[in-house]
Amino acid sequence: EPEVTQTPSHQVTQMGQEVILRCVPISNHLYFYWYRQILGQKVEFLVSFYNNEISEKSEIFDDQFSVERPDGSNFTLKIRSTKLEDSAMYFCASRGQVVSSYEQYFGPGTRLTVT
Amino acid sequence: AQSVTQLDSQVPVFEEAPVELRCNYSSSVSVYLFWYVQYPNQGLQLLLKYLSGSTLVESINGFEAEFNKSQTSFHLRKPSVHISDTAEYFCAVSEGGNTGKLIFGQGTTLQVKP
Repeated sequence: EPEVTQTPSHQVTQMGQEVILRCVPISNHLYFYWYRQILGQKVEFLVSFYNNEISEKSEIFDDQFSVERPDGSNFTLKIRSTKLEDSAMYFCASRGQVVSSYEQYFGPGTRLTVT
Repeated sequence: AQSVTQLDSQVPVFEEAPVELRCNYSSSVSVYLFWYVQYPNQGLQLLLKYLSGSTLVESINGFEAEFNKSQTSFHLRKPSVHISDTAEYFCAVSEGGNTGKLIFGQGTTLQVKP
């Protein structure tokens, strides 16, 4: 069964450093998302991506964040200068082509720890 | 703006007992509703969904949820729980549209005791 994969599973970085979180969505999906979950809190929407551009972003997704689909398979989230409060689990998700089917399939997540 | 409220942060229950995890949502338009489950140290797995049609939806492992438009609720139920059902359960809503982003509730930890 196809699945969303994410690497690395755990990333430790120092405050101010740049990090890139990588995702490989399900191959025939066209809609891509990043969410984050701070420890003990709910899952929050960050950004959605369709047709090679951002379709919506939340207030959390400020200028420090960017997303890219550099090739036909990868989908990345970059944080330019990490802050302590960026420590969280980051989930990638993808959705299929059928417009009426809104379920998203999530990857296992990347735990980002900023020290 | 849409929002989701899960009324119980933790639900302890004995094995083989019934359980209900409550979810209420707020939205000004038609919505699509989902329950996701997160087992310890794992990602989110889709448990069941309501897109349209019958208001009662079922999963393959015995969970069911009923969409109640008048009460804006989508409560999750199981008549008899197993130890293996211990997990975090998240209710989520989407208004569809171009992005279809999901808005999640706070989550409910289901603790099944032997």
